[in-house]
Amino acid sequence: DGGITQSPKYLFRKEGQNVTLSCEQNLNHDAMYWYRQDPGQGLRLIYYSQIVNDFQKGDIAEGYSVSREKKESFPLTVTSAQKNPTAFYLCASRGQGVTGELFFGEGSRLTVL
Amino acid sequence: SQQGEEDPQALSIQEGENATMNCSYKTSINNLQWYRQNSGRGLVHLILIRSNEREKHSGRLRVTLDTSKKSSSLLITASRAADTASYFCATESTGGFKTIFGAGTRLFVKA
Repeated sequence: DGGITQSPKYLFRKEGQNVTLSCEQNLNHDAMYWYRQDPGQGLRLIYYSQIVNDFQKGDIAEGYSVSREKKESFPLTVTSAQKNPTAFYLCASRGQGVTGELFFGEGSRLTVL
Repeated sequence: SQQGEEDPQALSIQEGENATMNCSYKTSINNLQWYRQNSGRGLVHLILIRSNEREKHSGRLRVTLDTSKKSSSLLITASRAADTASYFCATESTGGFKTIFGAGTRLFVKA
């Protein structure tokens, strides 16, 4: 079945460590997105990519990095520079065109110990 | 920045009642979308209404859009316990590509 796969579902990290969250889609979508969600709050945009080898900062990009070397993959690295990384991270993709619905993965919950 | 502001933040109703959630936004939009999120899960797209549309229906869902007031409402009719979830409005600005979400309304439907 087509969809978006995020891994791992749960991740624990010590302070000062970088961690990479995986996002893979087999929907043949051009655009991919990373959002952060804190408890009881909405989603905030971290990074987005419209095409391979291109990405833009969202509203809260500081302390995060991404790459888009393949159409199917858009990994997010949470670096040690991110001061408050404990959150629920959601990856999404959008089909052809610049507008339309987003398809979400099931999320990755990162906890910093 | 969060474009949309949902109201109320939380809503508790009995099964069979209707649930209405409102969303306000700040800038010009291409479209407005509503999503649902069950606890600890990803979001699921419910309905999209374009800026030149005023009302749209999908099953038990009815969405309205008033671009002059920069507001939208989502009505869920004949609610069920399974409708218990958080509901988010999201807007695409006229520049495209970025979809910005509000803080959401938490709906609890009591059986």
